[in-house]
Amino acid sequence: GAVVSQHPSWVICKSGTSVKIECRSLDFQATTMFWYRQFPKQSLMLMATSNEGSKATYEQGVEKDKFLINHASLTLSTLTVTSAHPEDSSFYICSASAGNTEAFFGQGTRLTVV
Amino acid sequence: AQSVTQPDIHITVSEGASLELRCNYSYGATPYLFWYVQSPGQGLQLLLKYFSGDTLVQGIKGFEAEFKRSQSSFNLRKPSVHWSDAAEYFCAVGDRVYGNKLVFGAGTILRVKS
Repeated sequence: GAVVSQHPSWVICKSGTSVKIECRSLDFQATTMFWYRQFPKQSLMLMATSNEGSKATYEQGVEKDKFLINHASLTLSTLTVTSAHPEDSSFYICSASAGNTEAFFGQGTRLTVV
Repeated sequence: AQSVTQPDIHITVSEGASLELRCNYSYGATPYLFWYVQSPGQGLQLLLKYFSGDTLVQGIKGFEAEFKRSQSSFNLRKPSVHWSDAAEYFCAVGDRVYGNKLVFGAGTILRVKS
């Protein structure tokens, strides 16, 4: 199956700093990538949809100025959490899709803000 | 908008016993349906998916799921559970336009007792 790689797997940052998470499709071109967030003991919630070369579409309640998404190429999307605070600590996971029927998930990034 | 209900938060079964995890969805047409498994701190692994055709779908690790349109359900089953199946299971739906954009259920945590 298609492989999606996320980096880093885990990151600890200080409150007020920014952190970037990368999502790469290794063996296919991803026209669309999705970013989800999973708080402890909760389900995954879609944050935003990014299409290559276009601005991301954010779900209701997600601050676009705080969670910057860039999808500059068909194999890479990045999520930058700006001015991170402890409440942003979560598990962030991306998925990538070449069509519109199935997306493939990365392994996730555990963000801890201290 | 579509929604997914997994009514069981926790399920405990004995090793070797059969398993059924419930999933009900709300959508105006037949959605794309998925089951994923997540081990603690890990990403998502796709167990199986339903797009169309045969309503009984076979997946990996001996899992199967049956799509029942009349009940808006997509329950996951396994005839004999192994201790390694202990994990959290998520049912997800994608609509017919953006099948790769998923709405997840709350998840069911499976515990296996020996």
